[in-house]
Amino acid sequence: GPKVLQIPSHQIIDMGQMVTLNCDPVSNHLYFYWYKQILGQQMEFLVNFYNGKVMEKSKLFKDQFSVERPDGSYFTLKIQPTALEDSAVYFCASSLAAGDSQNTLYFGAGTRLSVL
Amino acid sequence: GDQVKQSPSALSLQEGTNSALRCNFSIATTTVQWFLQNPRGSLMNLFYLVPGTKENGRLKSTFNSKESYSTLHIRDAQLEDSGTYFCAAEDDSGYNKLTFGKGTVLLVSP
Repeated sequence: GPKVLQIPSHQIIDMGQMVTLNCDPVSNHLYFYWYKQILGQQMEFLVNFYNGKVMEKSKLFKDQFSVERPDGSYFTLKIQPTALEDSAVYFCASSLAAGDSQNTLYFGAGTRLSVL
Repeated sequence: GDQVKQSPSALSLQEGTNSALRCNFSIATTTVQWFLQNPRGSLMNLFYLVPGTKENGRLKSTFNSKESYSTLHIRDAQLEDSGTYFCAAEDDSGYNKLTFGKGTVLLVSP
């Protein structure tokens, strides 16, 4: 089936540093998402992105977070500066559309971020 | 409280048996998606549901919007069905924002 690739699978970083998580979404998809999962808990919505713009973000999407997809390349989540509570698995997802059956989300395998 | 309540939180099944997972919603839900997360963490989409029922092999899922719940039935459970099952509710914002339940950890044993 359609695949979303996330790079790297695991990132270890010192608190205060910047980190960029990369996502290669399904090639013809138009909507992109980031979700956060703390170990043992449910996935929580961070942000969705369409046509070069953030459409909606949750309260978990702090000012230190930003997303972009320059020139149709990777969809990225940047955290600058990182904090200890940012340690989690970050899942990228994409969908063809929103609002009908084409908005089935396809998730990547996640990037485990460890902030020390 | 939880906007999407999943039950049970954990379940053990023997191969070949049947079971049902359930999600109750306390938020306005337009569609429901069910996912299976394998032990490595990868998420696989099982169903996208508008109100009604869908079936795929040994899995059948129903979304009842009037009573705000969804069920996932597993028939003839196999070892490879083991993992964590999540339901997720889409709200009416139109931007496909999903609210996930806490998941049901399913273990199928021989």
